Amino acid sequence: DVVMTQTPLSLPVSLGDQASISCRSSQSLVHSNGNTYLHWYLQKPGQSPKLLIYKVSNRFSGVPDRFSGSGSGTDFTLKISRVEAEDLGVYFCSQSTHVFTFGSGTKLEIK
Amino acid sequence: QVQLKQSGPGLVQPSQSLSITCTVSGFSLTSYGVHWVRQSPGKGLEWLGVIWSGGSTDYNAAFISRLSISKDNSKSQVFFKMNSLQADDTAIYYCARNSDDYPYWGQGTLVTVSA
Repeated sequence: DVVMTQTPLSLPVSLGDQASISCRSSQSLVHSNGNTYLHWYLQKPGQSPKLLIYKVSNRFSGVPDRFSGSGSGTDFTLKISRVEAEDLGVYFCSQSTHVFTFGSGTKLEIK
Repeated sequence: QVQLKQSGPGLVQPSQSLSITCTVSGFSLTSYGVHWVRQSPGKGLEWLGVIWSGGSTDYNAAFISRLSISKDNSKSQVFFKMNSLQADDTAIYYCARNSDDYPYWGQGTLVTVSA
């Protein structure tokens, strides 16, 4: 099974700060078709996870450009350039190269 | 457009079974596999199993003894059944489908295991 290790578990930030979340997989997420199916989601209380970034670095429709994703192979990063109040919640990385697995989540909260 | 709509009970008695139907539209089950994932407070997001386009299945080893996934291609329906539910099976259950870009998700079914 592919294990997704996400850090940190908690990320206190001030509004306007940059935030960075790391996700590492136990094996390469490069699919045989050449794509890397690493995605990032944001979940707010009482809601289902919402897709932010797909295939490492592609912003989903309607996602602000302050969100960016990068990485390759087994190491990936989500960055939020200027945190706004609406960005608070729990962020998950997820891979769908080898069925599905998920990181344990990073809670972005106000410092 | 691709849609997955779930239907199933919200409350299950301990030791009883859970059945959820995922009805899909916008694609054929003969072309795509459908996965099942759950989210619980205690264990986060867990992949449970998949039924592939050809009808074969793979299950998370932790659930293999009490999980069954089947489908009816003609009705565009996937059937999820889990036996012997206990309190720690309380979770939101999702069906999902991969694509060349990103997964598509059902709306989720909140299942509470309680007497």
